[in-house]
Amino acid sequence: EAGVVQSPRYKIIEKKQPVAFWCNPISGHNTLYWYLQNLGQGPELLIRYENEEAVDDSQLPKDRFSAERLKGVDSTLKIQPAELGDSAVYLCASSLDLASGIGNEQFFGPGTRLTVL
Amino acid sequence: QQPVQSPQAVILREGEDAVINCSSSKALYSVHWYRQKHGEAPVFLMILLKGGEQKGHEKISASFNEKKQQSSLYLTASQLSYSGTYFCGTGSNDYKLSFGAGTTVTVRA
Repeated sequence: EAGVVQSPRYKIIEKKQPVAFWCNPISGHNTLYWYLQNLGQGPELLIRYENEEAVDDSQLPKDRFSAERLKGVDSTLKIQPAELGDSAVYLCASSLDLASGIGNEQFFGPGTRLTVL
Repeated sequence: QQPVQSPQAVILREGEDAVINCSSSKALYSVHWYRQKHGEAPVFLMILLKGGEQKGHEKISASFNEKKQQSSLYLTASQLSYSGTYFCGTGSNDYKLSFGAGTTVTVRA
């Protein structure tokens, strides 16, 4: 079974530039999560989807971050414009369904390491 | 609110045991444990659910004290492959997992 796929793995941009990350969850997983992980810290939830609906985006800085999950499968997370403080690893995860997200395991992708110069 | 993990770091020799603790101020439905190696994705180890159900790795053991809102992960007879950063994630009735800051485990030969 293929795992969660993310691309790119690494991205270096200058501040004020836009950037986008892509995630393909495990087939059949309805729930998709985007997390931000700073160095030496645990993942912090940015947004989670149930199919194509964003059911929790309370932690997403909406002035510069946006996300979409078309057709309830792949998802894209965008930052525009990027700031120095956005340098971090952006992790995507998926699970079978929303309720099971805390009762069943979340499967994480390898992440995209963003460096903003 | 983020759970608190302790210790922050531990160094072991192969074959030694260690305990990692995770404590929350919220009522918990579940506790998840993940291990992350440098530059890699967090990998699922175990889930402990309210009511006593457990799902996870046969060689990893953990406990969940619902009343105290605490969980402990037990690394027994550690191997070199146990090295990494261990995160607990706590789930409550808002369907969110909140992760601790992690415990870095180094196992030396």
